[in-house]
Amino acid sequence: DGGITQSPKYLFRKEGQNVTLSCEQNLNHDAMYWYRQDPGQGLRLIYYSQIVNDFQKGDIAEGYSVSREKKESFPLTVTSAQKNPTAFYLCASSIATASYGYTFGSGTRLTVV
Amino acid sequence: QKEVEQNSGPLSVPEGAIASLNCTYSDRGSQSFFWYRQYSGKSPELIMSIYSNGDKEDGRFTAQLNKASQYVSLLIRDSQPSDSATYLCAVGGAAGNKLTFGGGTRVLVKP
Repeated sequence: DGGITQSPKYLFRKEGQNVTLSCEQNLNHDAMYWYRQDPGQGLRLIYYSQIVNDFQKGDIAEGYSVSREKKESFPLTVTSAQKNPTAFYLCASSIATASYGYTFGSGTRLTVV
Repeated sequence: QKEVEQNSGPLSVPEGAIASLNCTYSDRGSQSFFWYRQYSGKSPELIMSIYSNGDKEDGRFTAQLNKASQYVSLLIRDSQPSDSATYLCAVGGAAGNKLTFGGGTRVLVKP
């Protein structure tokens, strides 16, 4: 079955540590996105990529980094510069542009310990 | 002013009634509009998309778009307890390169 796989489902980060969230899709979608959701809030865009080896900052990119070396993969690194990383992280993809809507992964819940 | 605004709720409706959700957006060039349903602790799932003015029906759901007034709405007919969730409005701008989400409306359907 085609879909988007995010791992891990739960992740715990110590202060000052970098962590990487995985996002893999086998839908042959061109565009991929990372959003952050805080409790009771909507989704805020961190980074997005429309083609391999190219990506753009979203509204809250500070403290995060991404790469897009393969069409199927779009990992997100939460760096130590992100001072409030505890949130629910959602990866999404779309066929060509966002105009077709997104398919979401199941999310990664990151907690700072 | 937020780009996409929704009433956070909760919107409490009795079982079998119609739930009416509204969303307003600020970018007049927006071209694509979506409603996602999100259960607690889960990821959003697409339930409706609409691109032109008017109504679009799919089962118990009807999306309504009015570009002149910059609002999009969702009606849920014959509401069921399983419809209790947060509903997110998402809007695609003229460039079509990303979606902007509202804060979501929490719906509670009471038996």
